[in-house]
Amino acid sequence: EIVLTQSPGTLSLSPGERATLSCRASQSVSRSYLAWYQQRPGQAPRLLIHGASSRAAGIPDRFSGSGSGTDFTLTISRLEPEDFAVYFCQQYDISPRTFGQGTKLEIK
Amino acid sequence: DVQLVESGGGLVQPGGSLRLSCAASGFTFSSWSMNWVRQAPGKGLEWISYISSSSRVIYYADSVRGRFTISRDNAKNSLFLQMDSLRDEDTAVYHCARVDISRGWYEDYWGQGTLVTVSS
Repeated sequence: EIVLTQSPGTLSLSPGERATLSCRASQSVSRSYLAWYQQRPGQAPRLLIHGASSRAAGIPDRFSGSGSGTDFTLTISRLEPEDFAVYFCQQYDISPRTFGQGTKLEIK
Repeated sequence: DVQLVESGGGLVQPGGSLRLSCAASGFTFSSWSMNWVRQAPGKGLEWISYISSSSRVIYYADSVRGRFTISRDNAKNSLFLQMDSLRDEDTAVYHCARVDISRGWYEDYWGQGTLVTVSS
């Protein structure tokens, strides 16, 4: 199965700063079948990005996804207070579909 | 708005059974495939089962195959997960999620989840 490794495990930043989250796959994710989700404490995961770079409906344009092959990135251009949460990547190219272990974005 | 609300979680002994439900609203449930995804305490997410809109296609993760059964009732906008022969390692929050199968398949809406605790 494809193992997704997210880094860093925890990222401490201040509102207004730029966040860069990484997701590295153990083998190539073809067709860019990679998604990013946000999960706030006690809430349902929320789809942010699918197809590596396509924003889901209603997602602000400060969220952007990029990458291909084995290296993918989620960028939040200017952090808002509500952006501090856990972020997961997921590949849906090869069965079994797998998730990364998550990056916690916390307020510095 | 799309809403998914899970119920049926609780404390159960190893070897026991539990049936989870997911009530869907805000979209045409009968037109969408659905997944169950779980999250063990302090761990990542694990997909466990998929059902197509008509129930014709069903998949399970190896970790639950033969013990869990997914089903749906389109007339009642409801998704179910029958969990038998439960093990300690099945302890997790169980989320139902709507699946977009237009290009690959990924979850586009999730419920908050229901906690299942397997312990003696």
